Amino acid sequence: KQEVTQIPAALSVPEGENLVLNCSFTDSAIYNLQWFRQDPGKGLTSLLLIQSSQREQTSGRLNASLDKSSGRSTLYIAASQPGDSATYLCAVSLWGSWGKLQFGAGTQVVVTP
Amino acid sequence: DADVTQTPRNRITKTGKRIMLECSQTKGHDRMYWYRQDPGLGLQLIYYSFDVKDINKGEISDGYSVSRQAQAKFSLSLESAIPNQTALYFCATSDSRETKLTDTQYFGPGTRLTVL
Repeated sequence: KQEVTQIPAALSVPEGENLVLNCSFTDSAIYNLQWFRQDPGKGLTSLLLIQSSQREQTSGRLNASLDKSSGRSTLYIAASQPGDSATYLCAVSLWGSWGKLQFGAGTQVVVTP
Repeated sequence: DADVTQTPRNRITKTGKRIMLECSQTKGHDRMYWYRQDPGLGLQLIYYSFDVKDINKGEISDGYSVSRQAQAKFSLSLESAIPNQTALYFCATSDSRETKLTDTQYFGPGTRLTVL
C-alpha cells in the first residue's frame, strides 16, 4: 500500500523567509503528484500538479520538484507572506488507480508578520 | 457561486441516528468522490463514482453508503452514526476527459460532523 508522509507536521517562519515542505512516498509507480492548500472552513485547492515524467513544476512563487527514484517531492514557496499560512497537503495517484488519491497528513504553516 | 457545494456545513448528531451529507456540483464533471479527514491522518477515500451507474468502495467504506442521484449529485449516508465517525467530510469531483497525467480533483468546502 502506498504510504505518503509529510514532515514536518507544523512549521512557523517569519515573513520573507523561504518555505520548504517535504513529501515522501513509498511506491514510485505514480503517474502524478499534486500539492494542495487547505484553509480553515474551505476545501482543498490544487496548487501544482507534477506528471510522472516531469522533474519540477512552477507557478509564481511556488516551485515543486519530484524525484521518483527516491520517492520524494519538495514544495518551495519563495518570500513567504502571512497569506501563505495554511495547511499544505501532497497527494499521489498510482498507475492503475486513476482518480484515487493517496494523501499525506499535511504540514501546517504559519507565517508571522 | 461555488462549483462544488456541500450541505450541511456543520452537523451535530447523536449515536445511532441516520445522517445524510449532500454534494452538488456545477462543473459538469462525471466523477465524484467522498473523503473523510481526521486530525493528523490526511484524507481517506470513502466512496467514489465514475458515473451515475458506477459506484465503488474506497479505503474506509464500512458504516457508510452512497447514492448518485444524478451526474451532479452525490450523497453520503451514515446509517447509524457512531462517535468515531466524527470528522471533516469532503466531496470532490474530476473530469474523465482529462488525461491520467493531468487529472486533478476539485473539492467542496467540507462538512464538519460531530457524533455525540
